[in-house]
Amino acid sequence: AQTVTQSQPEMSVQEAETVTLSCTYDTSESDYYLFWYKQPPSRQMILVIRQEAYKQQNATENRFSVNFQKAAKSFSLKISDSQLGDAAMYFCAYRGDSNYQLIWGAGTKLIIKP
Amino acid sequence: GAGVSQSPRYKVAKRGQDVALRCDPISGHVSLFWYQQALGQGPEFLTYFQNEAQLDKSGLPSDRFFAERPEGSVSTLKIQRTQQEDSAVYLCASSLWSGPSGNTIYFGEGSWLTVV
Repeated sequence: AQTVTQSQPEMSVQEAETVTLSCTYDTSESDYYLFWYKQPPSRQMILVIRQEAYKQQNATENRFSVNFQKAAKSFSLKISDSQLGDAAMYFCAYRGDSNYQLIWGAGTKLIIKP
Repeated sequence: GAGVSQSPRYKVAKRGQDVALRCDPISGHVSLFWYQQALGQGPEFLTYFQNEAQLDKSGLPSDRFFAERPEGSVSTLKIQRTQQEDSAVYLCASSLWSGPSGNTIYFGEGSWLTVV
């Protein structure tokens, strides 16, 4: 069975600085998708960035980028120029190519210090 | 609608009471998912619909949980004889088609259930 692990329950960063959130996963599948979701206090899950496992190039969305290491089964999220609005829970999620379920990590609470 | 809509947003139920949670997915979305998120944890899969067909209900924790999507659009998650361990946020999500590849999943804001 697939598992997703986020080892950092909480991270804090100074506004305008860069922070990296860690995620590791375990799978025997060769084709899959990885996601980072942001969950503010409203509890709505908002997709931040996604990575297809077959793509070697790391995904980037504005200030958000990932470091995808397929062999190491690692998928970290880097947030550059942190803003107060980035404060939220961040969840890493996995989805197999032949499956529809999302498998979630336990989340990392990101605190932005002004 | 513009997004996935869930109601009620907040529900307080007395132990033993039945509750019904509604999800209105994005118009035209084939796939619909229900997830349960306990406090301080990631979401856990409950069930999956493709149009009106419930293709997977393996995540439903007990036979007190029942979900339906009779016309392939709006879905209802029903919990009978609620227990305190049912207290959680229930997230509904939808996606345009059934295949996982390249398929973005959109989430609602969730229904917060507190059983007292």
